[in-house]
Amino acid sequence: DARVTQTPRHKVTEMGQEVTMRCQPILGHNTVFWYRQTMMQGLELLAYFRNRAPLDDSGMPKDRFSAEMPDATLATLKIQPSEPRDSAVYFCASGFLLSGSLSGELFFGEGSRLTVL
Amino acid sequence: KNEVEQSPQNLTAQEGEFITINCSYSVGISALHWLQQHPGGGIVSLFMLSSGKKKHGRLIATINIQEKHSSLHITASHPRDSAVYICAVLDSIIQGAQKLVFGQGTRLTINP
Repeated sequence: DARVTQTPRHKVTEMGQEVTMRCQPILGHNTVFWYRQTMMQGLELLAYFRNRAPLDDSGMPKDRFSAEMPDATLATLKIQPSEPRDSAVYFCASGFLLSGSLSGELFFGEGSRLTVL
Repeated sequence: KNEVEQSPQNLTAQEGEFITINCSYSVGISALHWLQQHPGGGIVSLFMLSSGKKKHGRLIATINIQEKHSSLHITASHPRDSAVYICAVLDSIIQGAQKLVFGQGTRLTINP
């Protein structure tokens, strides 16, 4: 049963600490998205990759956030230093992008709930 | 004005009722997703459609590209359908790249 795996599921940390969230996309998918969900803003796109190359990270605060795909089986989202306003649920999703359009369903991970004190 | 608007924001109904959730968008899109988020937080993609209608069990999704409008219908609703339903559109921003834009979600509660 293929699924997107995210770790950690929950993270509580203090302001100023580094936080790294990891995502294992579904094997064969070439597109990975990072989203953030808060009560106030709903779901927001932070960044996404196609074939491991970053295509759009305009939704991400560049001074403290960074997203990478060191290989096809791992995507990371790092926050350094973390701030209380970063508290949210961070979702990873993967799919298959063909000729500029997602050719199938999007599959979401279960999310990483981050609390920054 | 949000690029994707859903209505209603909240909906409470009795078990068995026919449910309709609407989504209107203002951007050019290549596809539209309906997502379901349960109270536990997990998100499941229900449908991806770019034209016409799709049906899966008691769920039906329709889209009218000309009117920039989509609807999600649930027939014979059940308490387990209680969730937040989110409309998301794929907004083409540059060639080969797409941005997923989300509606604010519709919170559906089905009472037994």
